[in-house]
Amino acid sequence: DAKTTQPNSMESNEEEPVHLPCNHSTISGTDYIHWYRQLPSQGPEYVIHGLTSNVNNRMASLAIAEDRKSSTLILHRATLRDAAVYYCILLAYSGAGSYQLTFGKGTKLSVIP
Amino acid sequence: KAGVTQTPRYLIKTRGQQVTLSCSPISGHRSVSWYQQTPGQGLQFLFEYFSETQRNKGNFPGRFSGRQFSNSRSEMNVSTLELGDSALYLCASSLERGRYGYTFGSGTRLTVV
Repeated sequence: DAKTTQPNSMESNEEEPVHLPCNHSTISGTDYIHWYRQLPSQGPEYVIHGLTSNVNNRMASLAIAEDRKSSTLILHRATLRDAAVYYCILLAYSGAGSYQLTFGKGTKLSVIP
Repeated sequence: KAGVTQTPRYLIKTRGQQVTLSCSPISGHRSVSWYQQTPGQGLQFLFEYFSETQRNKGNFPGRFSGRQFSNSRSEMNVSTLELGDSALYLCASSLERGRYGYTFGSGTRLTVV
């Protein structure tokens, strides 16, 4: 299974941009890059996903390296509500038209007021 | 629109019993996946259903099973419960397989005593 590597934890000051890195050197051509975040006692929340091109939505931006071996989730202005565990996940095609999300340990983001 | 609904939210069962958990996906979503989350193992993929067929299964024993109904609602069943089955069980739905993000429910917290 394709794996991702993320820092265990990061800190950010409130209202500053946050860049969360993710390495996925064994990514295959059909793997989508997904980001989810999880607050305590809640299910993961979808943030953003992409395949090859950079993506933007109302929550964040996803910057994907040209060789796709790494990506960066960008939160443009961190708020206290952004404090969560962020998971970078490859949605891997696993044959017979099936996909599965393979979660790693994630990055715990702390936002300092 | 309504999110992914999982019932019940909390459950306490005795070792050796069986349990059935329910998941109602977002209306129109046809792909339903199940995940187990524990402090030690993190989030692990259980299985994925699409069009009432199990498309993929994670590395879990046969005691874990599931099904999907024609309205895309899904259930998972765990028989002969073990203490190690205590976990947060999460359901996620997606519009289609592969190209879209997943919306997670809040999960069912299962405690086996």
